[in-house]
This record gives sequence, C-alpha cells and structure tokens, in this order.
Amino acid sequence: DVKVTQSSRYLVKRTGEKVFLECVQDMDHENMFWYRQDPGLGLRLIYFSYDVKMKEKGDIPEGYSVSREKKERFSLILESASTNQTSMYLCASSRGQGDYEQYFGPGTRLTVT
Amino acid sequence: AQSVTQLGSHVSVSEGALVLLRCNYSSSVPPYLFWYVQYPNQGLQLLLKYTTGATLVKGINGFEAEFKKSETSFHLTKPSAHMSDAAEYFCAVSEWYGNNRLAFGKGNQVVVIP
Repeated sequence: DVKVTQSSRYLVKRTGEKVFLECVQDMDHENMFWYRQDPGLGLRLIYFSYDVKMKEKGDIPEGYSVSREKKERFSLILESASTNQTSMYLCASSRGQGDYEQYFGPGTRLTVT
Repeated sequence: AQSVTQLGSHVSVSEGALVLLRCNYSSSVPPYLFWYVQYPNQGLQLLLKYTTGATLVKGINGFEAEFKKSETSFHLTKPSAHMSDAAEYFCAVSEWYGNNRLAFGKGNQVVVIP
C-alpha cells in the first residue's frame, strides 16, 4: 500500500511566522504535489515536483515555496504566514511516466492567527 | 488547460435512493478520468478511474462511472445510497501537457437523508 504521511494534522501559527509542512511518501514515486483546499473552491495546486530538486509552480504559488532534497520528501514553506493562508493543505504523490493516479496524505489543517 | 465541471456543490439523497454525481470535462486529447472521495478530516481516496478500455468502470463501495466521449462526461452513480456515503466527491481529469497534473472539479458534498 502506498503511504503518504504529513507531519501534522493540525497546526496553529501566528501571522508572520515561517511555517514548514512536510510530506513523505514511501513508494518511490517521482511526482509530488501540494494543494490547498478551501470550501467552494475545491483543490488548488500550489507547487509540484517531478524529480529531486525540480519544482514547478502550480496555479497559486504566491506566498509559498517548496523544497525537495530527497525523492521521498516534499516540503511546503510559508515564508511569512498570513491569515489568508488559513486552509487545509493536502500533499499527494504519483508514480509518473504516464501514470496520473495521485495518492493523498491525510491533510494538515493550518490556522494562522 | 483542462477543466472539470461538477454541478451542485451540495447534493442531498435519501438512504436507498440512486446517487448520481455529474462530471463534465474539457480535453483536446483522450483523457484519464478519476473520481475521488473525501471523508471528514481525511485526505482524498481513489474511488475509481478510467484510463483505456471498457468505458463502464466499477470502483469501491458499489460506485461506478461511465466514460462518454461524445458527451465529454464521466458521471458517477451508485444504485442505493448508504449513510456511510456521506462525503465530498471530486472528479479529476489528466492534464494533457504531460506533466502528470490532474485538474480537479470543485467537488460535491453529498448528504444522505435517513
């Protein structure tokens, strides 16, 4: 079974703090993704990575950065958290090479006060 | 880019009644299509997928979906709703430019009425 884990289920941070969200997958998948989920807006892609140290912007990258130093780990960084980044963050991975099926982690509900 | 339309953000269905969730997509090439389910406070879980071959696809928990190319649709059905089907459902389509992205619909929140 593919397993995607996220470092925290719930997180509360203050405005201006630097926030790290970590995601680990255990199936040697090439691709990893970060989404945010907001009511009525569905899933919106923030960043994705198709290889170690490779990254591409998604649809809403502003205010976020990412890091992928090892194949199994993909980190999302909020350089200076703001209240409008309060959301559910979902990490996913996929095998790549034409296999589009994505496997999701349980999500991190981030609240910025 | 591809887009996915799911009408009706909230769908109410009586227990035992048919569940029908509609999904239409735009794509200029043959797509891969997915339905995911999300239970409260959890991540998304794959219900079923269409890649190639038979256009009627069966998934978990009694759900199925039919790919209709002429209608650019991939509607999800279940003959008889169960209380445990209360969840949010997302349709997704593969992006065509080969970077393994999926485009997601905005989701349907399904409420099952006893």
